[in-house]
Amino acid sequence: EVQLVESGGGLVQPGGSLRLSCAASGFTFSTYGMSWVRQAPGKGLEWISYISHDSSSTHYADSVKGRFTISRDNAKNSLYLQMNSLRDEDTAVYSCARNSRHGYDSWGRGTLVTVSS
Amino acid sequence: EIVMTQSPATLSVSPGERATLSCRASQSVSSNLAWYQRKPGQAPRLLIYGASTRAAGIPARFSGSGSETEFTLTISSLQSEDFAVYYCQQYNNWPSWTFGQGTKVEIK
Repeated sequence: EVQLVESGGGLVQPGGSLRLSCAASGFTFSTYGMSWVRQAPGKGLEWISYISHDSSSTHYADSVKGRFTISRDNAKNSLYLQMNSLRDEDTAVYSCARNSRHGYDSWGRGTLVTVSS
Repeated sequence: EIVMTQSPATLSVSPGERATLSCRASQSVSSNLAWYQRKPGQAPRLLIYGASTRAAGIPARFSGSGSETEFTLTISSLQSEDFAVYYCQQYNNWPSWTFGQGTKVEIK
């Protein structure tokens, strides 16, 4: 069974940093591109970042470009999101998702990030 | 950016009844459209991809239709476990895959 489990969320002050992790199991992690998707309170889903299976390609939404960095460690079956210069509007549940040719075929439940002073 | 607009925002339906959810794209996405179900505290679940193909393990009461800019998700006979929020997503414009704002299906 495919499992994606996020961790690392919490309360952080504006301007602060946080690193999220996503532990993958039940599939060959190194053969899939992966993404981070977030959902702010009362809002819809927003794709924020993608990394290819071998880390050769990364993409970011304009809303996080220059502040967030996606990475992965295939030996540890783990995906990461380094978030710097956090803003109030970054408050959201952050989920990792497995990319397929037809959307995201597996998701984690997410981890809550709250940016507040 | 391709903007996805879902309607209605909330749909009140009795168990056993049919639910019809709509999704409109601001420009053509061909058939590169997926539907997801999300329940509180749970991971989203892929229901439909390619506008009309059910994902593995999805019951036949879920069906999708449409192409280009107009799409529909139909749940033929609502079960108690179907009350949730449903999102459409276009994956035509790589890498900026965008979602609709969601339709909440609630018990009438």
